[in-house]
Amino acid sequence: QKEVEQNSGPLSVPEGAIASLNCTYSDRGSQSFFWYRQYSGKSPELIMFIYSNGDKEDGRFTAQLNKASQYVSLLIRDSQPSDSATYLCAPLDGDSSYKLIFGSGTRLLVRP
Amino acid sequence: NAGVTQTPKFQVLKTGQSMTLQCAQDMNHNSMYWYRQDPGMGLRLIYYSASEGTTDKGEVPNGYNVSRLNKREFSLRLESAAPSQTSVYFCASGPRLFFGEGSRLTVL
Repeated sequence: QKEVEQNSGPLSVPEGAIASLNCTYSDRGSQSFFWYRQYSGKSPELIMFIYSNGDKEDGRFTAQLNKASQYVSLLIRDSQPSDSATYLCAPLDGDSSYKLIFGSGTRLLVRP
Repeated sequence: NAGVTQTPKFQVLKTGQSMTLQCAQDMNHNSMYWYRQDPGMGLRLIYYSASEGTTDKGEVPNGYNVSRLNKREFSLRLESAAPSQTSVYFCASGPRLFFGEGSRLTVL
């Protein structure tokens, strides 16, 4: 059973702070990693993906990947109340180029 | 607008009834997926279709069937609904998963 672990939260941060969301995965064959944001009652939407070890930045978002430690994280700089949502980590199944394995998500609350 | 369209958005069934969830995408994606989402359990893959003419089981296929009607459409059928199938169902397409708005199903 391939597992993806995320702290369910809620992670509460003040507006303007950096939010750090973490994810560990069991599948050593995973090569690609995706982060989705899901607002309450809405569908998930892709915000970042990363393939290589290290950091990838896109606006206020930075994804960090360490394959040796089987660890991927998402940093949100200058957090805004509109960032309050559940963030889902999803590694690509190492045995399939089509299947993502989702974690149960971390709920983020940004306090004004 | 481009995207993934699911119907119906809401449905209430009685145990034993059957129904089909419809999904269509207009982004010319080869791959399409059906997920269910339950509180605290994240998204679980039911079935997927890597390309037109192919379908494969995901993590939780029991009690479901699928049809990839053409490149645009991928339907999910519950032959005999059970209360355990009460969930929110999402259709998605493409290698990076563009999701539809979801279908909330309640089985009494």
